[in-house]
Amino acid sequence: EPEVTQTPSHQVTQMGQEVILRCVPISNHLYFYWYRQILGQKVEFLVSFYNNEISEKSEIFDDQFSVERPDGSNFTLKIRSTKLEDSAMYFCASSEEYPGAYEQYFGPGTRLTVT
Amino acid sequence: TQLLEQSPQFLSIQEGENLTVYCNSSSVFSSLQWYRQEPGEGPVLLVTVVTGGEVKKLKRLTFQFGDARKDSSLHITAAQPGDTGLYLCAGALFTGNQFYFGTGTSLTVIP
Repeated sequence: EPEVTQTPSHQVTQMGQEVILRCVPISNHLYFYWYRQILGQKVEFLVSFYNNEISEKSEIFDDQFSVERPDGSNFTLKIRSTKLEDSAMYFCASSEEYPGAYEQYFGPGTRLTVT
Repeated sequence: TQLLEQSPQFLSIQEGENLTVYCNSSSVFSSLQWYRQEPGEGPVLLVTVVTGGEVKKLKRLTFQFGDARKDSSLHITAAQPGDTGLYLCAGALFTGNQFYFGTGTSLTVIP
């Protein structure tokens, strides 16, 4: 069964460093998303991406964040200068259609630890 | 502001008991999804409800979307230890591309 994959599973970085989190969405999906989940808290939407551009972003997704689909398979989230409060699980998801009617499938997540 | 409120937040029951988890909002959603999440893993989709009043069954799980599309419920019959996990509702509004998650219900089924 097709699934969303994410690498690395765990990333440790020092405050101020840049990190890139990678995702391979399900191959025939058209919409891509990033979410984060701080330990013990709810899943929070960061950004949605369609047709090589950002569809929508939340207030969390500030200038320190960027997303890219560098080729036909990968979808990346970059944090330019990490802060301690960026420590969280980051989930990538993809869906076939606009989420008004269709389901999102999540990857296993990348645990980001900023020290 | 929390768009989707789930109740209860925590639930601990004995194996074989029935339970219902609620997901409520003052907003109208185009669809609602239910996910289950294990510790350290991503949410796994259980079901999508799209039509107001819709009821979907998945083995011992019954999902209902409110007539006004503002709320949903998940009912589990004869709970088993394997049902233990964090249950999340999530949904999209008719406007925008943002997807909102509920506060979650942590279920523990005791053998």
